[in-house]
Amino acid sequence: GAVVSQHPSWVICKSGTSVKIECRSLDFQATTMFWYRQFPKQSLMLMATSNEGSKATYEQGVEKDKFLINHASLTLSTLTVTSAHPEDSSFYICSASPNIAGEETQYFGPGTRLLVL
Amino acid sequence: SQQGEEDPQALSIQEGENATMNCSYKTSINNLQWYRQNSGRGLVHLILIRSNEREKHSGRLRVTLDTSKKSSSLLITASRAADTASYFCATLMDSNYQLIWGAGTKLIIKP
Repeated sequence: GAVVSQHPSWVICKSGTSVKIECRSLDFQATTMFWYRQFPKQSLMLMATSNEGSKATYEQGVEKDKFLINHASLTLSTLTVTSAHPEDSSFYICSASPNIAGEETQYFGPGTRLLVL
Repeated sequence: SQQGEEDPQALSIQEGENATMNCSYKTSINNLQWYRQNSGRGLVHLILIRSNEREKHSGRLRVTLDTSKKSSSLLITASRAADTASYFCATLMDSNYQLIWGAGTKLIIKP
């Protein structure tokens, strides 16, 4: 089955530093990947749609300069949390759908837990 | 992985009618969440209902939760063509962040 990986699985950093999270589709190509964040015991909140070879589409209220997304290849999207602050501490999850006509299923990565001190 | 069950798998109704989708799950939960996915788009959160709640409303959406039966329903009243999408339920256990997903219901609203 389709597998999506994320790296790192967890990270602790100091306030003011930047953190990069990778999302990879391991056995399929994905033109589009999605980034979500989840606070403890809350819902997934869609942050942005990552488009290979073009700019990401951000949801309302998500700062594009704060959360930089790069989708440089059909199997890799990165989310960089710039100048991270404690309120950015959260669980970040990506998902991807294979580039197959009619394939709508999203496959989720295992998530990255970010703690900003 | 998708371990919950949703029914129906697909539902096609006329605009203006009400649409009801059901979700069943297997373990004790902290909360249950409903999401919508339009074709080619990301999942959008609709409603979260906690295990100690029985009913919740948001606009034309009404969600019920029966923890004794381990089931939930999502009702969309006065449906519109723009409601056409796939709807997913997800349950969150107390112990971790992981969401357990249902297989989804594909809803088509005919104008």
